[in-house]
Amino acid sequence: ETGVTQTPRHLVMGMTNKKSLKCEQHLGHNAMYWYKQSAKKPLELMFVYNFKEQTENNSVPSRFSPECPNSSHLFLHLHTLQPEDSALYLCASSRSTKGTDNEQFFGPGTRLTVL
Amino acid sequence: EDKVVQSPLSLVVHEGDTVTLNCSYEVTNFRSLLWYKQEKKAPTFLFMLTSSGIEKKSGRLSSILDKKELFSILNITATQTGDSAIYLCAQADRGSTLGRLYFGRGTQLTVWP
Repeated sequence: ETGVTQTPRHLVMGMTNKKSLKCEQHLGHNAMYWYKQSAKKPLELMFVYNFKEQTENNSVPSRFSPECPNSSHLFLHLHTLQPEDSALYLCASSRSTKGTDNEQFFGPGTRLTVL
Repeated sequence: EDKVVQSPLSLVVHEGDTVTLNCSYEVTNFRSLLWYKQEKKAPTFLFMLTSSGIEKKSGRLSSILDKKELFSILNITATQTGDSAIYLCAQADRGSTLGRLYFGRGTQLTVWP
């Protein structure tokens, strides 16, 4: 257990559905991240939040909408997704985004399949 | 083009073998290099390297950074079946967008009994 939990672990949705992924960290960290992991591609950073403020949006399509209500919780709202969005979505947290505090702890991920 | 390049992409060995995994990175804005092990889902942190030539060790795993040649290696001695996983290397940068990690594609290690 890394102290970062994600729900659901698996999600199958149609292209017209709306769903949300949830991430919670119990480590007292201030920075949280969403990554996308597709087969045979490097982990892709999607969003970074530091002290609840979004510091990075890595050119992610608007059909992915993050929300960070506090430093412990991070959501990824999904709507009108495409089949190519099927992937493993990983959440991570770190003490901060600065210096040697950037060691990131990952959650178990949500395996998303878009039909 | 990938900023972080790992090799080999896959490796199959027998228990007891020693393996060396490679990771090359870009010098631009480099701050540190991180190694992760990914078994089923969550990558788990192994090492963070910031200084050249200083080996970090944890049990049978060790890693070292060469900032002159821009690469790092991860060594695993006396491999066990439990070492089977994807090993990810990531570069952390300085600069205005701190916190960003650039990952390589990973090395898939399979250890046969």
